[in-house]
Amino acid sequence: GENVEQHPSTLSVQEGDSAVIKCTYSDSASNYFPWYKQELGKRPQLIIDIRSNVGEKKDQRIAVTLNKTAKHFSLHITETQPEDSAVYFCAARTSLGQNFVFGPGTRLSVLP
Amino acid sequence: GAVVSQHPSRVICKSGTSVKIECRSLDFQATTMFWYRQFPKQSLMLMATSNEGSKATYEQGVEKDKFLINHASLTLSTLTVTSAHPEDSSFYICSARTRRWNTEAFFGQGTRLTVV
Repeated sequence: GENVEQHPSTLSVQEGDSAVIKCTYSDSASNYFPWYKQELGKRPQLIIDIRSNVGEKKDQRIAVTLNKTAKHFSLHITETQPEDSAVYFCAARTSLGQNFVFGPGTRLSVLP
Repeated sequence: GAVVSQHPSRVICKSGTSVKIECRSLDFQATTMFWYRQFPKQSLMLMATSNEGSKATYEQGVEKDKFLINHASLTLSTLTVTSAHPEDSSFYICSARTRRWNTEAFFGQGTRLTVV
């Protein structure tokens, strides 16, 4: 089955700097890769996603890149703000399967 | 986006009792619902997948008789933790998918279960 790894597990950046979180997946059949943000005690919220037929997607300060050959995808947050502090989860899903396989998460702290 | 409501948000129960957690899709029909368990500072671990009107599919290592899942309608799924023990204390969270928004999973607020 699918296995998703995520690095780093914790990340601290100064406000205004960029943050990058990387994930790798094992199942080459996976074709959908969402990123979720979870604040303490709250539900995960989808922040951006990418399909396997696209190499990059951007939404304001957030961007995701996908390298299908290497089976890895990354989340890029620019001009970080304190409210970006949260745990971020990447996930992968195949077209055949129904469930997402989540990465272990990255705790991002944006220092003022 | 669609709204998924999960109740209760917090529950404390005595060891040996059962607890029911509800997950409702408020403005859409959830063809599939997923139940996750999340330990502190850890990721979301899928427990089971349920499709409306059929039996849930449990992940390896999840006890079917302990974690009863019912998905009787397109808007409601329930997870019952039977004969709860302290080791069952955790954060349980559901998510729902619909045919209309096939890719995104909409999450409930989660339930913090504490078994004393």
